[in-house]
Amino acid sequence: AQSVTQPDIHITVSEGASLELRCNYSYGATPYLFWYVQSPGQGLQLLLKYFSGDTLVQGIKGFEAEFKRSQSSFNLRKPSVHWSDAAEYFCAVGPSFNQAGTALIFGKGTTLSVSS
Amino acid sequence: NAGVTQTPKFRVLKTGQSMTLLCAQDMNHEYMYWYRQDPGMGLRLIHYSVGEGTTAKGEVPDGYNVSRLKKQNFLLGLESAAPSQTSVYFCASPRSSGEETQYFGPGTRLLVL
Repeated sequence: AQSVTQPDIHITVSEGASLELRCNYSYGATPYLFWYVQSPGQGLQLLLKYFSGDTLVQGIKGFEAEFKRSQSSFNLRKPSVHWSDAAEYFCAVGPSFNQAGTALIFGKGTTLSVSS
Repeated sequence: NAGVTQTPKFRVLKTGQSMTLLCAQDMNHEYMYWYRQDPGMGLRLIHYSVGEGTTAKGEVPDGYNVSRLKKQNFLLGLESAAPSQTSVYFCASPRSSGEETQYFGPGTRLLVL
């Protein structure tokens, strides 16, 4: 069955420290992979996505993620966290184009707190 | 170009009442999706549509109905609301034909008492 696992429910990082949020997926074919961020009371904003090609993808707000097929992982990283990065982060996997219409499968989210 | 919009933003219902949530997109897209978000559960797909006049069930369709009479609108209905339907509802749609990236509306927060 297709699934996305975010092993960490809640992470606290000091401001200025590096960040890595983990995401593992189970998917029969080559997936499309996404990271979204949600600030409290807000909608979901796309941080970055991987469809093919270079396995290290850059996103907005200084985030990057690396696709590792052998580990079925798509971990999100940021070298230096800012207080404004405190939010909930969702990893999601999508269908290939010939399965269009089957939507995204989301992980349960990781809440990031930033301490000063 | 407003992208994906949702109305209302917030609603309180009593158990047994009905309501309709509206999702509108101005991108002329075929695909539209309704998700619900609950604490610790991530987002789960309720229903989706791959074009005008078509709808299909997602992961958690029970208690909801949908309609896509016009291409730009995707309606989510609750015929008899239950407290278990207290949630935040998000509509999503890609921005271009063939694109797999989904862009989300701002959400509708629903409280069923």
